Amino acid sequence: AQKITQTQPGMFVQEKEAVTLDCTYDTSDQSYGLFWYKQPSSGEMIFLIYQGSYDEQNATEGRYSLNFQKARKSANLVISASQLGDSAMYFCAMRRPISSGSARQLTFGSGTQLTVLP
Amino acid sequence: DAGVTQSPTHLIKTRGQQVTLRCSPKSGHDTVSWYQQALGQGPQFIFQYYEEEERQRGNFPDRFSGHQFPNYSSELNVNALLLGDSALYLCASSLRDSNQETQYFGPGTRLLVL
Repeated sequence: AQKITQTQPGMFVQEKEAVTLDCTYDTSDQSYGLFWYKQPSSGEMIFLIYQGSYDEQNATEGRYSLNFQKARKSANLVISASQLGDSAMYFCAMRRPISSGSARQLTFGSGTQLTVLP
Repeated sequence: DAGVTQSPTHLIKTRGQQVTLRCSPKSGHDTVSWYQQALGQGPQFIFQYYEEEERQRGNFPDRFSGHQFPNYSSELNVNALLLGDSALYLCASSLRDSNQETQYFGPGTRLLVL
C-alpha cells in the first residue's frame, strides 16, 4: 500500500521569502508519480507540479520546484518568493504506475497549511 | 477551455436521504475520479470511471455508486445518508494513458447531512 506523510501541519513564511514543504512517501513500486496540489479556502484543488520517479531532473514550474530525493523517498515542494496569495493548504499525492489494470487513484497526505505573512 | 465543473456547489440533506452529485470533465479528458474530503483531512478516493465503467474503487460502502455517460460526464450517488457523509466531494478528470495522467479537480460540492 502507498502512504504519504506530511509532518508539518502548519507553516509560516514571510512574504518574498522561500519556503519548503515536506513530503515523504512509502511505496514498493519502482515506477510512480508524485504530485503537489494547492487548496485555497474555496476548496478547489489546484495542480501545481508533477515528478515522475524516473525523471532525472527535479521538476520546476515557475516559482514552484520539487526537491526529489528518491533514495530518501522524499519529494519536498519549494516555493520561491512567497506571495500573500500562496496562503493555502498544500497536499502531496502519489499515483501508482500507469499500466493496464493498475490502480490510478491518487493517495494524498494530510496536508500543510501555509500562511504567508506581510 | 472549460475546466472541471461540478454541481451543485452546496447541498443540505437529512439522514436517510439520497443525493446525486454531478461532474463534467475538462475538455479532452475521458476519465473521472471522485474523492471525499472530510474537514481537516486529505481527499480519500471513492472510485474512478473510464469508458462508462467503474475501474477502481476505494474503501467505501455500496451506498456510494456512480455512473459515467457517453459524453464522459459523471454522477456520484449516495444512498441512506449518514451524518458522517458530510464532506467536500471532489471530482477530478484526466486523460487515460497520457504521459502524466494528471488529475484536474473541480471546485467541489459541499454536502451537509443533518
